[in-house]
Amino acid sequence: GAVVSQHPSWVICKSGTSVKIECRSLDFQATTMFWYRQFPKQSLMLMATSNEGSKATYEQGVEKDKFLINHASLTLSTLTVTSAHPEDSSFYICSAIDSGVLGNQPQHFGDGTRLSIL
Amino acid sequence: LAKTTQPISMDSYEGQEVNITCSHNNIATNDYITWYQQFPSQGPRFIIQGYKTKVTNEVASLFIPADRKSSTLSLPRVSLSDTAVYYCLVGSKIIFGKGTRLHILP
Repeated sequence: GAVVSQHPSWVICKSGTSVKIECRSLDFQATTMFWYRQFPKQSLMLMATSNEGSKATYEQGVEKDKFLINHASLTLSTLTVTSAHPEDSSFYICSAIDSGVLGNQPQHFGDGTRLSIL
Repeated sequence: LAKTTQPISMDSYEGQEVNITCSHNNIATNDYITWYQQFPSQGPRFIIQGYKTKVTNEVASLFIPADRKSSTLSLPRVSLSDTAVYYCLVGSKIIFGKGTRLHILP
């Protein structure tokens, strides 16, 4: 149980392209999802908190117009990297918390998306 | 938010028991302690979660002393496939620290 599917697993595209990454909770509902990015040999860096039916909350230094987040349903959040440039190349990971379970719950992570901008 | 401190890296040998300790001096009364494992190019995977004393599941044990200012993840009889980065998080904290890079040697 508690499976999070992230798609695509990797993408290569040209500079200036917009790229959409999907994060789905397959067997539970998630009112809250999180988006992280991770550079090689470094820890996960929280980018934003995605809230179902409302605007995402972005961490300091993360451009909300650059990284568009949509959480239109209880099982899907999307991250769109707009006009991507080589410096946006990174490993993007989403996570979700089961909103149907009370109490302290761990995050369930997707397997990440490797984004390479040429 | 409770800050966590872990060793940057550890080495061990196959078949050994490995203990990774995390310090969280400012843990709040209601905070749980959660450990994750991450392999290269994969998302983190939940290992174990606890509040106090000892928790055990099929892959690990978590020891938490009475003052809860630290916790120890115990991996019994490790294998090469346990080579990964291990992260300790406290409470509803969603900010990851640097984690512990565990390297298992044959």
